[in-house]
Amino acid sequence: DVQLTQFPSSLSASVGDRVTLTCRASQRISNYLNWYKQKAGRAPKLLIHAASTLQTGVPSRFSGSGSGTDFTLTISSLQPEDFATYYCQQSFGGITFGPGTKVDVK
Amino acid sequence: QITLRESGPTLVKPTQTLTLTCSFSGFSLSASGVGVGWIRQPPGKALEWLALIYWNDDKRYNPSLKNRVTITKDTSKDQVVLTLTNMDPEDTATYFCAHRTFGLLSGFDHWGQGNLVTVSS
Repeated sequence: DVQLTQFPSSLSASVGDRVTLTCRASQRISNYLNWYKQKAGRAPKLLIHAASTLQTGVPSRFSGSGSGTDFTLTISSLQPEDFATYYCQQSFGGITFGPGTKVDVK
Repeated sequence: QITLRESGPTLVKPTQTLTLTCSFSGFSLSASGVGVGWIRQPPGKALEWLALIYWNDDKRYNPSLKNRVTITKDTSKDQVVLTLTNMDPEDTATYFCAHRTFGLLSGFDHWGQGNLVTVSS
C-alpha cells in the first residue's frame, strides 16, 4: 500500500499569508495525487487533481506541484474561508488519504 | 447538477451489519467512465477510503476491510449500497459517498453530506 505523510500536521497563519503544505508518498506515484479542503462538519471539497490541475471554480490562489514522491499545495494569499484541514489523496496504488494538515488562525 | 445523499442508520450494535444507501442525481451509473465511492471519517480523524464501484460493475475495495465490505449498485434506482459486516465501536464514523470519474488521475469531485454512524451497545 502507498502511505502518505503530510507536514506540518498543523500550522497557524494570518489572512494574507503565503502557505505551503507538503505531502510525501512512501513510493513514487507519478502525479496521481489530489488535494482536498475540509471545513469542520462538512464534506471534503476537491481542490486539485493530477497534482497540479485546479478544479473548476477553485480560486487561483490555490496551486499544486510535484511528482514522484513529494508534492506541495500552496495558497498564495490566505483568505478567511481557507482556514480548514487539507488532505492529500493518491490513486496510484489503491486509494489512500494522508493524515491532514490543519490550518488555523494565528 | 450532481448531488449525492447518504441514508441509513445512525446507531448500530457491535457485531451487526451496517447497510448504507447513496442516492444520487445528475449522472447515471450506466454511463461509461462513472464511479461512486465510499469514504469514512472517525470523529476528529482522517479520511479513509472504503470501496468504489464503476459503471461496468468493476469493484475496488480497501484491502484492510476487504473481507467485511461489499459495494453494489442499482442503476434503475440511481443508488449505490455499502454493507459493512461485524461492526465494532472503532467503525464509528461519518460515512460519505462521492462521485468519481474512471481513471488514476481523477479525484472524488462531488460528495454527499455524510451519515454519522455510531457503534454502541
